[in-house]
Amino acid sequence: ELKVEQNPLFLSMQEGKNYTIYCNCSTTSDRLYWYRQDPGKSLESLFVLLSNGAVKQEGRLMASLDTKARLSTLHITAAVHDLSATYFCAVDKSNSGYALNFGKGTSLLVTP
Amino acid sequence: DAGVTQSPTHLIKTRGQQVTLRCSPKSGHDTVSWYQQALGQGPQFIFQYYEEEERQRGNFPDRFSGHQFPNYSSELNVNALLLGDSALYLCASSLLGGSGYTFGSGTRLTVV
Repeated sequence: ELKVEQNPLFLSMQEGKNYTIYCNCSTTSDRLYWYRQDPGKSLESLFVLLSNGAVKQEGRLMASLDTKARLSTLHITAAVHDLSATYFCAVDKSNSGYALNFGKGTSLLVTP
Repeated sequence: DAGVTQSPTHLIKTRGQQVTLRCSPKSGHDTVSWYQQALGQGPQFIFQYYEEEERQRGNFPDRFSGHQFPNYSSELNVNALLLGDSALYLCASSLLGGSGYTFGSGTRLTVV
């Protein structure tokens, strides 16, 4: 069974600071996803990472996946208040029918 | 182009009742997956439908059932509702095996 662990679960950071969220998978996966969720809202796709160690960047967010495809990081650069949200990583695998397995999420609060 | 549409947006039911939630997938998508997200938790996979058949199921009791129609839309049915079924129910559509999941806005179910 694919298990996904995120840490930290809660993160309060000041605007302008850098920080990293970690996502660890119990086994290798085919794909790893990062989603953003605002309170009471649905999931917004941020990144899809394949098992080849790709790195993707969008604005102040950069996601990477190690070559063993078991550890991913979501790095936040110079945080701004608009980044406050809950961030989930999820993985899927062909032999589990491509069902997404989610972590518990990281609740991020960016303060002035 | 409409994304994933879910209805209703909110629902209040009494313990023991039955509920039906509906999902219209993004145009061009043929696969629908349902997820349950309890408050403060990550989404949990319920099941996935493709070609009108359930092809993958998560760890949910038989009280949870579904259906997919020829137009790819889907329903999630929950019988004998329990207080613990209170959650945000998310529908995600994709192409079978594809990595482009699109999530709907969800249905907030409250069981009293």
